[in-house]
Amino acid sequence: EAGVAQSPRYKIIEKRQSVAFWCNPISGHATLYWYQQILGQGPKLLIQFQNNGVVDDSQLPKDRFSAERLKGVDSTLKIQPAKLEDSAVYLCASSLRGAGTLNYGYTFGSGTRLTVV
Amino acid sequence: AQRVTQPEKLLSVFKGAPVELKCNYSYSGSPELFWYVQYSRQRLQLLLRHISRESIKGFTADLNKGETSFHLKKPFAQEEDSAMYYCALSRVTGSSNTGKLIFGQGTTLQVKP
Repeated sequence: EAGVAQSPRYKIIEKRQSVAFWCNPISGHATLYWYQQILGQGPKLLIQFQNNGVVDDSQLPKDRFSAERLKGVDSTLKIQPAKLEDSAVYLCASSLRGAGTLNYGYTFGSGTRLTVV
Repeated sequence: AQRVTQPEKLLSVFKGAPVELKCNYSYSGSPELFWYVQYSRQRLQLLLRHISRESIKGFTADLNKGETSFHLKKPFAQEEDSAMYYCALSRVTGSSNTGKLIFGQGTTLQVKP
């Protein structure tokens, strides 16, 4: 089966600019996650979607970050305006079973490496 | 608050030596614990989960609720085991899993020839 697709792979922007990342999950996966991984740290969940609804966005800096999953398939994560501390790898993951079930399988994408200068 | 701690940033061993990557967690409820691995230039992938009680690539991990630990072990390390290893926790309430993973900071395992 095809994996989780993310684009672009790399992005370099200046601070205060905006940037968007795209994720296409595995076909049929109801749940989609965006994680932020800062260098030297483990991934941290930014937002979790169940179909096109938000399950958890408690750690999303909503003053500058936004995400959507309009048709319950692809998702876009946006940062506007970017700050230096947003430099990180942004990982998308999807799972077959939604939140609320005991068994599920996560598949991660390759990530987008963002550098803010 | 839930937290996962991996005390070692780097673990370096010789091929054939035993390996133990430490993981401790903080969570008042019943967690589900995982080990993820990231090989060089590859994506993050699941290695094993505690409820499966399985051995993958010779690795095992036992959940010790008394010590709140989930250490990853392998009796004889191979060079191809060199990678970044992350311990992760997911909350379980009743029969439900939230889906959110809380990761430790990761340990780089370096297996020398």
